[in-house]
Amino acid sequence: SQKIEQNSEALNIQEGKTATLTCNYTNYSPAYLQWYRQDPGRGPVFLLLIRENEKEKRKERLKVTFDTTLKQSLFHITASQPADSATYLCALVENYGQNFVFGPGTRLSVLP
Amino acid sequence: NAGVTQTPKFQVLKTGQSMTLQCAQDMNHNSMYWYRQDPGMGLRLIYYSASEGTTDKGEVPNGYNVSRLNKREFSLRLESAAPSQTSVYFCASSTTSGDPYEQYFGPGTRLTVT
Repeated sequence: SQKIEQNSEALNIQEGKTATLTCNYTNYSPAYLQWYRQDPGRGPVFLLLIRENEKEKRKERLKVTFDTTLKQSLFHITASQPADSATYLCALVENYGQNFVFGPGTRLSVLP
Repeated sequence: NAGVTQTPKFQVLKTGQSMTLQCAQDMNHNSMYWYRQDPGMGLRLIYYSASEGTTDKGEVPNGYNVSRLNKREFSLRLESAAPSQTSVYFCASSTTSGDPYEQYFGPGTRLTVT
């Protein structure tokens, strides 16, 4: 069966450390993988996209890796800040944007 | 630029009542989507529209209908609401240029069916 999982429901880290979130999937063949941030009571906000032929993508303090052999993406936030506290969602994109599959999310808390 | 707007923000229905959720985007995007979000289950695609005049079912279409009225507007209708449709509903639109399929989400509609 098809499944997409994110490593944990909640993750607490200390300010200044690197947060690493994991997204694993089975039985999908995504052309793209995306990461979104969602704050309570609001819609998700797009952060980064990585293509199936890319190993790594960076944007400011964010880094995403994508391993299609392991069927896994890692999302890193370096020098984390309390303002980074939110729920982070990964999403697989298949069929030229006709099919989006979201993971359940990881709630990150950065403690001062 | 308002981005993606949704109305209403909150709604309470009784079982069997009908309602339409409205969504509009001002970014000239071709693709639009309706999702529902339930605790622990992530976002699930209900319907999407690749362009004006076309709609396709997503993962959980039962109990819903959609209309792509024009390029800007995509509405979701519940004909006979059921308690299982209690959820937060998000509309989104996406581009195929730049970062393709980057989705822009509306603020959501919180629906309770009693």
